[in-house]
Amino acid sequence: DVKVTQSSRYLVKRTGEKVFLECVQDMDHENMFWYRQDPGLGLRLIYFSYDVKMKEKGDIPEGYSVSREKKERFSLILESASTNQTSMYLCASSLIADLAKNIQYFGAGTRLSVL
Amino acid sequence: GQNIDQPTEMTATEGAIVQINCTYQTSGFNGLFWYQQHAGEAPTFLSYNVLDGLEEKGRFSSFLSRSKGYSYLLLKELQMKDSASYLCAALDSNYQLIWGAGTKLIIKP
Repeated sequence: DVKVTQSSRYLVKRTGEKVFLECVQDMDHENMFWYRQDPGLGLRLIYFSYDVKMKEKGDIPEGYSVSREKKERFSLILESASTNQTSMYLCASSLIADLAKNIQYFGAGTRLSVL
Repeated sequence: GQNIDQPTEMTATEGAIVQINCTYQTSGFNGLFWYQQHAGEAPTFLSYNVLDGLEEKGRFSSFLSRSKGYSYLLLKELQMKDSASYLCAALDSNYQLIWGAGTKLIIKP
């Protein structure tokens, strides 16, 4: 089974702090994604990556950056956390060979509260 | 713009059948996905449709009409463990997923 692991289930940070959310997948997937999930809204794509050291902006990249130094790891960085970044953050991965079908496998999520 | 619409919440009875509808408007179309998400857990893949028609997978079936921009997920013989949110997502011409807000399904005994 594909396993996508997010380092923390819950995080509480203060406004202005730098925050790192880590995601690791164990199935040698090329594609990795970061989403945020808010009540009443669909999943919104923040950033994605098709390969090591590659990154592409999603729909809402402002206030975020990412890092992919190794194939299995994709990190989301909040340079200076703000209260409007309080949300559930979901990481996902998929095989590049499945581009058309693009089944994404998700981690359990990190619920971030910024106070 | 791109948009996915699905009901916010539905209630059904254990053992019954429920149909969750989804309509989509996207720039191009490369398929329609359904995911299940239990509270506090990761979304998990249920089905993928790219051609018109019904795909059956055990108690769950998914239907697609490309001409109408419409899909539904049909759940039969409902069980309490089917209580979850069901997410509809369409793959656009750039192979990006456009997600609906999800339908919370409540199953009552």
